[in-house]
Amino acid sequence: AQTVTQSQPEMSVQEAETVTLSCTYDTSENNYYLFWYKQPPSRQMILVIRQEAYKQQNATENRFSVNFQKAAKSFSLKISDSQLGDTAMYFCARTQGGSEKLVFGKGTKLTVNP
Amino acid sequence: DTAVSQTPKYLVTQMGNDKSIKCEQNLGHDTMYWYKQDSKKFLKIMFSYNNKELIINETVPNRFSPKSPDKAHLNLHINSLELGDSAVYFCASSQGRTLREQYFGPGTRLTVT
Repeated sequence: AQTVTQSQPEMSVQEAETVTLSCTYDTSENNYYLFWYKQPPSRQMILVIRQEAYKQQNATENRFSVNFQKAAKSFSLKISDSQLGDTAMYFCARTQGGSEKLVFGKGTKLTVNP
Repeated sequence: DTAVSQTPKYLVTQMGNDKSIKCEQNLGHDTMYWYKQDSKKFLKIMFSYNNKELIINETVPNRFSPKSPDKAHLNLHINSLELGDSAVYFCASSQGRTLREQYFGPGTRLTVT
């Protein structure tokens, strides 16, 4: 089965510091999309950032950026200047089969400490 | 101005009952999904509809039946509920079958006792 692996079940970081969440995936496809979603305690799934596999440039959204290594099938998320509101589960996901079907990793629980 | 809404947000019911969860999106999207998030937070797709046509049907028991009366609505009916059906069910939508991001509803926490 083609999978998405998040090797860090839990992480913590001090407020204002930088943290990187790792994600690796398995795919035989050449074109696909990668996503990071955030799920705070409110349970709402919120899109953090999106990367298109055919684009070499790493996506950025304010304090959030990715390090996309296509050959290594790696897609890590860097959060700069961490804020208390960043405390959440973070899910890495990719599309599968050239469709909109999303395959998710098991998530990383991030805690930002004051 | 909620984009993707689900009702109810919480549902507690007994084994053997039949229940439905409703989902509506006002984003004008033509593709909708149901995901199940288990107690370990693992999210897995169950169904997807595009323009009211079923396009993804993962290995889900026949007790689960999605229905899409129109592009803006996708309901999930569950028959003969079992303890293992307890989970959070998320509805999502996206525009087209074009690898775009999906917008999620707030989730429905189903508890089967």
